[in-house]
Amino acid sequence: DTEVTQTPKHLVMGMTNKKSLKCEQHMGHRAMYWYKQKAKKPPELMFVYSYEKLSINESVPSRFSPECPNSSLLNLHLHALQPEDSALYLCASSRDGTSGYNEQFFGPGTRLTVL
Amino acid sequence: QKEVEQDPGPLSVPEGAIVSLNCTYSNSAFQYFMWYRQYSRKGPELLMYTYSSGNKEDGRFTAQVDKSSKYISLFIRDSQPSDSATYLCAMRGYGGSQGNLIFGKGTKLSVKP
Repeated sequence: DTEVTQTPKHLVMGMTNKKSLKCEQHMGHRAMYWYKQKAKKPPELMFVYSYEKLSINESVPSRFSPECPNSSLLNLHLHALQPEDSALYLCASSRDGTSGYNEQFFGPGTRLTVL
Repeated sequence: QKEVEQDPGPLSVPEGAIVSLNCTYSNSAFQYFMWYRQYSRKGPELLMYTYSSGNKEDGRFTAQVDKSSKYISLFIRDSQPSDSATYLCAMRGYGGSQGNLIFGKGTKLSVKP
């Protein structure tokens, strides 16, 4: 099973709302990632968790707050977003981080619209 | 110069054609090279993953890496309408932030019946 699942598939929120995106994998992977993808652009890395610890934060604004409750789950908490944050948010996982032969498997994404 | 260059296309071919997709890169630290396929409004799907230089074949897909030229390719034989998607090359080095995936812009491919 090489599946990464993400919920919800679509999310519409106002600028004052608080919402969360959820990602789950059951491949026993110990590294999980959040990416943001705007239309017709490649994915951009936001955060990397390795063994449930935040290892990389690519200078993402504090209105995005990641959380890794356990090795299978990754959340992205959203608060006070801007319309320009509307994008496809992708979760990915890999065996154990950015060393060695580590394939990243992506989920289907959450399409976020901020009004 | 961007780290990874990929012609965004669009590329339109007839069914059954051989498709050639390419990326060039500038960072000699890249060691791992990937091709992802992304259908519209879906997440990227890993197609091919190679380490260092050489060829790798999987069914109708062949990935080639030439590290001396800093050039990677994906060939699709007997292309099908279901191959219509955006193809993203991605590459990375080893460990820490060097291990982060760097993506090309993606090439949009359309295979006409």
